[in-house]
Amino acid sequence: DAGVIQSPRHEVTEMGQEVTLRCKPISGHNSLFWYRQTMMRGLELLIYFNNNVPIDDSGMPEDRFSAKMPNASFSTLKIQPSEPRDSAVYFCASSRPDRGRLANYGYTFGSGTRLTVV
Amino acid sequence: SQQGEEDPQALSIQEGENATMNCSYKTSINNLQWYRQNSGRGLVHLILIRSNEREKHSGRLRVTLDTSKKSSSLLITASRAADTASYFCATDLLSEKLVFGKGTKLTVNP
Repeated sequence: DAGVIQSPRHEVTEMGQEVTLRCKPISGHNSLFWYRQTMMRGLELLIYFNNNVPIDDSGMPEDRFSAKMPNASFSTLKIQPSEPRDSAVYFCASSRPDRGRLANYGYTFGSGTRLTVV
Repeated sequence: SQQGEEDPQALSIQEGENATMNCSYKTSINNLQWYRQNSGRGLVHLILIRSNEREKHSGRLRVTLDTSKKSSSLLITASRAADTASYFCATDLLSEKLVFGKGTKLTVNP
């Protein structure tokens, strides 16, 4: 398996522009997570999906952020309009169905998208 | 939001020595996980310990969990220069959200 695939690896955009980050989870994983990493705030969970359904989006900073998972093999995180404070590394991760108390495996993370908003 | 807190924030040791990192958390968990992140890379899962387990081993890694003290430790034995990375503990909450601490930056000097 190729692992969790994120694109693009790097994105530089101007303030006010729309940014779309993409993620392809591992086949057979039924949960997908979007995290944001900054030096100041560390790793923050933005939103997660279970069986393509958004379960918890309480970490989404504001209405400028939205995420979708139209099918089991694809998810997007969109920022519109983007602001300089959105600059961060955005990670997507997926996990197998056996989570929680019965978990045996951790999450698999993608390589991340480094977003710079100027 | 509830997080694991790693201690120390930074650790520098010589190759061959053991490295111990600690993690404390606040609320009940399903399991606790440790991840490694090399500079500029994604996170790699190292080991998972369930709430009903007290100790787990994987190669040179040893993890302990004390749910009464809400704490965990990660021991890396016979460290190598290639172990240089940031190490994060992550708590799988009862709500099935995985929440990360700020990490310990480990430097292993050759």
